[in-house]
Amino acid sequence: QQQVKQSPQSLIVQKGGISIINCAYENTAFDYFPWYQQFPGKGPALLIAIRPDVSEKKEGRFTISFNKSAKQFSLHIMDSQPGDSATYFCAASRSRGADGLTFGKGTHLIIQP
Amino acid sequence: GAVVSQHPSWVICKSGTSVKIECRSLDFQATTMFWYRQFPKQSLMLMATSNEGSKATYEQGVEKDKFLINHASLTLSTLTVTSAHPEDSSFYICSARKAGIGTEAFFGQGTRLTVV
Repeated sequence: QQQVKQSPQSLIVQKGGISIINCAYENTAFDYFPWYQQFPGKGPALLIAIRPDVSEKKEGRFTISFNKSAKQFSLHIMDSQPGDSATYFCAASRSRGADGLTFGKGTHLIIQP
Repeated sequence: GAVVSQHPSWVICKSGTSVKIECRSLDFQATTMFWYRQFPKQSLMLMATSNEGSKATYEQGVEKDKFLINHASLTLSTLTVTSAHPEDSSFYICSARKAGIGTEAFFGQGTRLTVV
């Protein structure tokens, strides 16, 4: 049973555009929702995270939108740059991050110059 | 700060042998460490959670006798893949979490294991 569903699987965006990746979760006990960026052969790096008591969080060019009733959250990358080309994973956990993470399947993002 | 280091970065071993992977938190004390496994172009799957001084908690389907986890100190956890087989070839990634409620976990750079 996949508890965190991520889409799209791959995404191509022009430089300067907005990249949008969506995730949906099933377990209502999840209370911590991070997004990670991963380059080939490297471990994932935390981009931004949100808790369900807020509907939006922005850090620089990265924004998380969170819809608790729909059990969905999304990552928006504004002014996308070629250096943003990577694989992005959404994740979720319980106990405010104390538990291990359940990851989505990932989105391979390509930013075309 | 909050650097997590894994060693080795890559390892090749013969089928039937055991391999140990180390995960160290370099600049903080990690009360909890997590081990994940990632197959090529796939997602990360949680294998086990270890708390310092306690036995690890394994996820369903993960063989605890095959994947031995030791978290003997607040800065070091080890994963030993025993009697490795080619199907154990994968990217193993650890993460470490500081003490306290609501703190994030930081990931190591991963270890590429190839069993031949």
